[in-house]
Amino acid sequence: QQQVKQSPQSLIVQKGGISIINCAYENTAFDYFPWYQQFPGKGPALLIAIRPDVSEKKEGRFTISFNKSAKQFSLHIMDSQPGDSATYFCAASMGGSEKLVFGKGTKLTVNP
Amino acid sequence: ETGVTQSPTHLIKTRGQQVTLRCSSQSGHNTVSWYQQALGQGPQFIFQYYREEENGRGNFPPRFSGLQFPNYSSELNVNALELDDSALYLCASSRQGQSNEQFFGPGTRLTVL
Repeated sequence: QQQVKQSPQSLIVQKGGISIINCAYENTAFDYFPWYQQFPGKGPALLIAIRPDVSEKKEGRFTISFNKSAKQFSLHIMDSQPGDSATYFCAASMGGSEKLVFGKGTKLTVNP
Repeated sequence: ETGVTQSPTHLIKTRGQQVTLRCSSQSGHNTVSWYQQALGQGPQFIFQYYREEENGRGNFPPRFSGLQFPNYSSELNVNALELDDSALYLCASSRQGQSNEQFFGPGTRLTVL
């Protein structure tokens, strides 16, 4: 049973455009929702994270939107750059430093 | 502040062999989690270690085992390797009770032939 569903599987955006990646979760006990960025041959790097008590969090060009009632959250990358080309993973966890449950990833390509 | 480091970078083993992977946690972190990432997939939680004891385990068989040492570094051991064990093995460190934030190392690429 996949607890975190991520879409789309791949995404192509032009430089300067907005990249949007969506995730849906099933377990209402999840209380921490991070996004990770992974370049080929590297480990995932924490990008931005949100908790259910807020509906939006912005850090630079990256924004998480959170809809608790719909059990969905999304990552928006504004002014997308070729350097943003990577695989993005949403994840969820509950409690303290509990295990992260990851989505299957979205491969983002930003064309110059 | 030193990040999470893992060794070795790459490893090739044959089916049935045993392997040990190592991880040094980020400075100030006391919890280590291990994940398996198959090609084209998201990381899958194997187990977590805190205070040198296993603190949660994913859906992995007992031939996957681990250790945590007093300096918070950790080892992942896999016995009786199978072809499907070929993956990127990731270590993540965090500070128990402070935050859910987990910081990943670069991983060890294991190939089982």
